[in-house]
Amino acid sequence: KAGVTQTPRYLIKTRGQQVTLSCSPISGHRSVSWYQQTPGQGLQFLFEYFSETQRNKGNFPGRFSGRQFSNSRSEMNVSTLELGDSALYLCASSPGLAGGTYEQYFGPGTRLTVT
Amino acid sequence: SQQGEEDPQALSIQEGENATMNCSYKTSINNLQWYRQNSGRGLVHLILIRSNEREKHSGRLRVTLDTSKKSSSLLITASRAADTASYFCATNSGGYQKVTFGTGTKLQVIP
Repeated sequence: KAGVTQTPRYLIKTRGQQVTLSCSPISGHRSVSWYQQTPGQGLQFLFEYFSETQRNKGNFPGRFSGRQFSNSRSEMNVSTLELGDSALYLCASSPGLAGGTYEQYFGPGTRLTVT
Repeated sequence: SQQGEEDPQALSIQEGENATMNCSYKTSINNLQWYRQNSGRGLVHLILIRSNEREKHSGRLRVTLDTSKKSSSLLITASRAADTASYFCATNSGGYQKVTFGTGTKLQVIP
């Protein structure tokens, strides 16, 4: 099976702009989670989507949003970028079936730099 | 906020030695997972231990869980240079996939 893919791998944006990151999960996986990783805050959970519905949400401002499509592919959007949004954004997929937690399969990440 | 705090923050050992890293967490959990991350890349799942388990093995990895102390440890035996990476514990306290990662231990294995 192909692994989790994320595009683009690297991105440079200017403060105030918006950005959209894409994640394609492993075939058959219905859950997609997004994480932000920075040296100062570590790995922080953004949100999780399952069957096109946001199922869990972390403590991030409304500038961070996401969605999931019927083929389980997911996008996350950050509007009005701030310097502090510079980070590695990781996407993870899992079967996501109800009743438990499954190991997550991570993509390589998108490195976002805001200048 | 971080659920897990890992100790030590960094660890440097010689190839062939054992490496032990610890994770402490704050709230009750359903399960705890360990992940490895090579230098700014994606994470790789190593092992999952459920709250009713005390110990689990996978190859050269041994994980223990003490829910009374809210702590877990990861032991890597006979370390190799390829084990050089950051190791994170991750806890699940609620339903589904809301997972909270610890601060990580950076392991360096010197050949």
